[in-house]
Amino acid sequence: QQQVKQSPQSLIVQKGGIPIINCAYENTAFDYFPWYQQFPGKGPALLIAIRPDVSEKKEGRFTISFNKSAKQFSLHIMDSQPGDSATYFCAATHYTSGTYKYIFGTGTRLKVLA
Amino acid sequence: ETGVTQSPTHLIKTRGQQVTLRCSSQSGHNTVSWYQQALGQGPQFIFQYYREEENGRGNFPPRFSGLQFPNYSSELNVNALELDDSALYLCASSSGKGLLVWYEQFFGPGTRLTVL
Repeated sequence: QQQVKQSPQSLIVQKGGIPIINCAYENTAFDYFPWYQQFPGKGPALLIAIRPDVSEKKEGRFTISFNKSAKQFSLHIMDSQPGDSATYFCAATHYTSGTYKYIFGTGTRLKVLA
Repeated sequence: ETGVTQSPTHLIKTRGQQVTLRCSSQSGHNTVSWYQQALGQGPQFIFQYYREEENGRGNFPPRFSGLQFPNYSSELNVNALELDDSALYLCASSSGKGLLVWYEQFFGPGTRLTVL
């Protein structure tokens, strides 16, 4: 119940395409859903995050869509660029046992072709 | 404002040895969480420190231990290293207020540990 399932494992798109990465969760207590971008040899960087009281959030070219009833959320990258090539992780968290434990998905390796 | 820093960048140890990894939290942050990221996997929560006390732990054995100092920097110690401990170790800092730890966590670049 604590898992976050992420798909696909890898994704290749042409420049300008719109890659979509999906995540699903079981624990309805989760109340914060961030996405992280990680380049090789670097730590994950917070990209965008959403709370379950909204269905969509946009920040620049990045959009999160959230479906509370389906317990799914997804990341869309508009007008993707070669510089977006990285590994993307979804995560979920809620306050339990005195802290917020982040549960991460297994990651999606995105390659944007020039 | 400085970000989260970690040292060393890389480390090679042999099985059975002990290792200490260090993390300096982002300015103004009083909470540090440690994660283990195996190759090709997402980060896994090890434990968290808030105001120098352990504030939650994941499914890691007691040979993984930590400390937080008055300046909110932190150490991760791993005893009796095993081959499976080879991973990228990440720390993340966040700003806690009272007993409520804020959601946003900011990660450091990680320490790559190789156990031979």
